[in-house]
Amino acid sequence: EIVLTQSPATLSLSPGERATLSCRASQNIGSYLAWYQQRPGQAPRLLILDASDRATGISPRFSGSGSGTDFTLTISRLEPDDFAVYYCQQRSDWPPYTFGQGTKLELK
Amino acid sequence: QVQLQESGPGLVKPSGTLSLTCAVSGGPIISSNWWSWVRQTPLKGLEWIGEIYHAGTTTYNPSLKSRVTISVDNSKNEFSLRLDSVTAADTAVYYCARWGPYFDHWGQGILVTVSS
Repeated sequence: EIVLTQSPATLSLSPGERATLSCRASQNIGSYLAWYQQRPGQAPRLLILDASDRATGISPRFSGSGSGTDFTLTISRLEPDDFAVYYCQQRSDWPPYTFGQGTKLELK
Repeated sequence: QVQLQESGPGLVKPSGTLSLTCAVSGGPIISSNWWSWVRQTPLKGLEWIGEIYHAGTTTYNPSLKSRVTISVDNSKNEFSLRLDSVTAADTAVYYCARWGPYFDHWGQGILVTVSS
């Protein structure tokens, strides 16, 4: 089973700043990685697929990069609605699909 | 726009069976997509349970495989989850989701508590 490790666990920033979130895979997963945003009381929402492709309707302020074992989600110019929990998820080796433990982006 | 909606009991007794249904609207379940169940707990985070194709083919998480059954009813445009021999560790928010690839549409989630 592929383990995804996200860092940091919590990131405290202010609106207008840039957020950089990391996800590391326990083995090479190519570009088969997605990022999701989850706001309190809501289901996760797909942001980025295949490491760097934005999902339909997602703001260009969200960008993904990386391949192999190291991946990054960058959110430029943070807005109030961006403060949420972010998860990475791999589809390279399944079953099972696996998720990271999440990074909480909180208001500083 | 495809929408998914979970339904089922919110409380299940230990050693009992958890049964949930996901109704799909806004599009046919007979498509190139797979349909999944994912659960979320504070301790384990997001955990994929398994998936089904409209033809009935299933894939399960090995950690749950012995207790899980996912089925589909194409005539009702819905699919279902059955989890046997539940314990308190199965208390979670259960989501149904479409795999497109990746989980591109989700239900709102349903909290299921295992307790006597």
